[in-house]
Amino acid sequence: QVQLQESGPGLVKPSETLSLTCAVSGYSISSGYYWGWIRQPPGKGLEWIGSIYHSGSTYYNPSLKSRVTMSVDTSKNQFSLKLSSVTAADTAVYYCARHGTGCSGGSCYWSWFDPWGQGTLVTVSS
Amino acid sequence: QSALTQPPSASGSPGQSVTISCTGTSSDVGGYNYVSWYQQHPGKAPKLMIYEVSKRPSGVPDRFSGSKSGNTASLTVSGLQAEDEADYYCSSYAASNNPFGGGTKLTVL
Repeated sequence: QVQLQESGPGLVKPSETLSLTCAVSGYSISSGYYWGWIRQPPGKGLEWIGSIYHSGSTYYNPSLKSRVTMSVDTSKNQFSLKLSSVTAADTAVYYCARHGTGCSGGSCYWSWFDPWGQGTLVTVSS
Repeated sequence: QSALTQPPSASGSPGQSVTISCTGTSSDVGGYNYVSWYQQHPGKAPKLMIYEVSKRPSGVPDRFSGSKSGNTASLTVSGLQAEDEADYYCSSYAASNNPFGGGTKLTVL
């Protein structure tokens, strides 16, 4: 059974960098799939931040791209998120999830997120 | 802001059926069969309920079904149960910057 667990500081000061790690168990990241980060501001909807392949290939939400860096550590079976220059608008529950694809006609497309970690609340405040 | 439009709320009585819509464009929902649906209970992580328009992951009750017509995808919950009360989000490949809809709160009356 694949399980994901987010970890990192729950409080970050404005203008600093938010750093989170997602530990994966029950599946080797090196075996495939993309691995993604999604966030949810309090009382609001879901926002995709970005996804990374075990090779290190990354895809970021264009609206966050300038501030996002994702990395993967296959030896520890985990992947990480850094979000720089944070403001109060970055306060949210941050989830990690496996990001699956579907293929047809010789091309593959983003398809689903499953499973998800339990999420971790990050508050941006001085 | 979401590129996919969902009604803010939906409701139904136990045993009834409810359908939640997710409207996009010919560039996302209408152009690809990669629509997924997620259920989120308060304080919990989202759970995949439907993927690739109409496929159910193992363990998801067959009361949940998905379909698509043109640029609109739909999630139908049949035989409503109290535990179905939750927020539901759709997602589609190629849906602008954010692949998720704004979410629909389903209330079981």
